[in-house]
Amino acid sequence: EVQLVQSGAEVKKPGESLKISCQASGYSFTSYWIGWVRQMPGKGLEWMGIIHPGNSDTRYSPSFQGQVTMSADKSISTAYVQWSSLKASDSAMYYCARVGLRAPDYWGQGSLVTVSS
Amino acid sequence: DIQMTQSPSSLSASVGDRVTITCQASQDISNYLNWYQQKPGQAPKLLIYDASNLQTGVPSRFSGSGSGTDFTFTITSLQPEDIATYYCQQYDNLIYTFGQGTKLEIK
Repeated sequence: EVQLVQSGAEVKKPGESLKISCQASGYSFTSYWIGWVRQMPGKGLEWMGIIHPGNSDTRYSPSFQGQVTMSADKSISTAYVQWSSLKASDSAMYYCARVGLRAPDYWGQGSLVTVSS
Repeated sequence: DIQMTQSPSSLSASVGDRVTITCQASQDISNYLNWYQQKPGQAPKLLIYDASNLQTGVPSRFSGSGSGTDFTFTITSLQPEDIATYYCQQYDNLIYTFGQGTKLEIK
């Protein structure tokens, strides 16, 4: 069974750093891209970017280029997204998703990030 | 960047009604269009991929059509459990873009 399990909720202060994770199981981790999606409170879905765990090829959406860093560790089938200096506007739910041949088909449960002084 | 315009933003319908949502791309995207359902407090769920293909396990009352720039998502007979927000999503060279979403409510 394909599963993506994300790290738990985080409460951070502005300026702090953060790395959230997405651990995959039930399939070959290095054979599929992993995408990340942001959902701000009460708002729609925003595509952040995508990483291939096999070779770390990463493509960021223009709005997120330079704002976050995506990475992956093949040895533990885990993908990450990290921030070096959080802002209040980074408060959101973040989802990872396995990208199948045509579409993100399996999704994690989401990681809630709250940034507040 | 390819922009997706989804309408309506909200919709109220009765159980058993036929419901239609449209999505328009700012340029030709062939059939590279997916549809998702998101219920409150849950992750999105893939319903339709490549404009018209039903994802495994999704009820047949859901369907999609279209190509190029204009796409349609249909629920043939609305059920109470279909209350959710629906999103279209295009993909182009590993860059994905979502529509603004349609919040579906029961009348």
